[in-house]
Amino acid sequence: AQSVTQLDSHVSVSEGTPVLLRCNYSSSYSPSLFWYVQHPNKGLQLLLKYTSAATLVKGINGFEAEFKKSETSFHLTKPSAHMSDAAEYFCVVSDQGAGGTSYGKLTFGQGTILTVHP
Amino acid sequence: GAVVSQHPSRVICKSGTSVKIECRSLDFQATTMFWYRQFPKQSLMLMATSNEGSKATYEQGVEKDKFLINHASLTLSTLTVTSAHPEDSSFYICSARDLYGGGYEQYFGPGTRLTVT
Repeated sequence: AQSVTQLDSHVSVSEGTPVLLRCNYSSSYSPSLFWYVQHPNKGLQLLLKYTSAATLVKGINGFEAEFKKSETSFHLTKPSAHMSDAAEYFCVVSDQGAGGTSYGKLTFGQGTILTVHP
Repeated sequence: GAVVSQHPSRVICKSGTSVKIECRSLDFQATTMFWYRQFPKQSLMLMATSNEGSKATYEQGVEKDKFLINHASLTLSTLTVTSAHPEDSSFYICSARDLYGGGYEQYFGPGTRLTVT
């Protein structure tokens, strides 16, 4: 079984300050981990993904995340927030399992709404 | 690359009618497509997994006779909400997995907003 916990439902920052969105996961297999962003009434855009390569993953728009197995965490960070970063962010886990088209189901966290103040 | 489209983007229907939502992978082949629903201010919940040429696999609590899924080709899956009721109003999002991409990454469509009156 797999699960994701996003520790903050809302995060508010000022423009130009760092962003930290926290995510903890549990997984029975070697997990793949993702961060997606969703702007209002829009679909999901992939920010970055971890698939058992480098533990520090760089994504689009200046975001990065570090996979820490000992802490079962995959926190998302950005050094300097921009107004356009305001959106909802989802941490997602996928068990790679043993292969086959039925594996690799995604489990979504509850989401973190990021607000950026001018 | 890896673009997924959904049609329609928004639909309003009357209670008791059926609505079909299409999900297409535009520039890749997808053996597997997934259907999610998202209620306001909530996360995405997987409804079913759709494999090309075979019956869909539904998650626990999702009525397969109400939410009909067809995945007839490697680029198209459809979700039909039969006898829709106001409680079916939601944001429906599909995703597709690239046959050759590996890594189990899913590419998401822009979503369909269904409102049942």
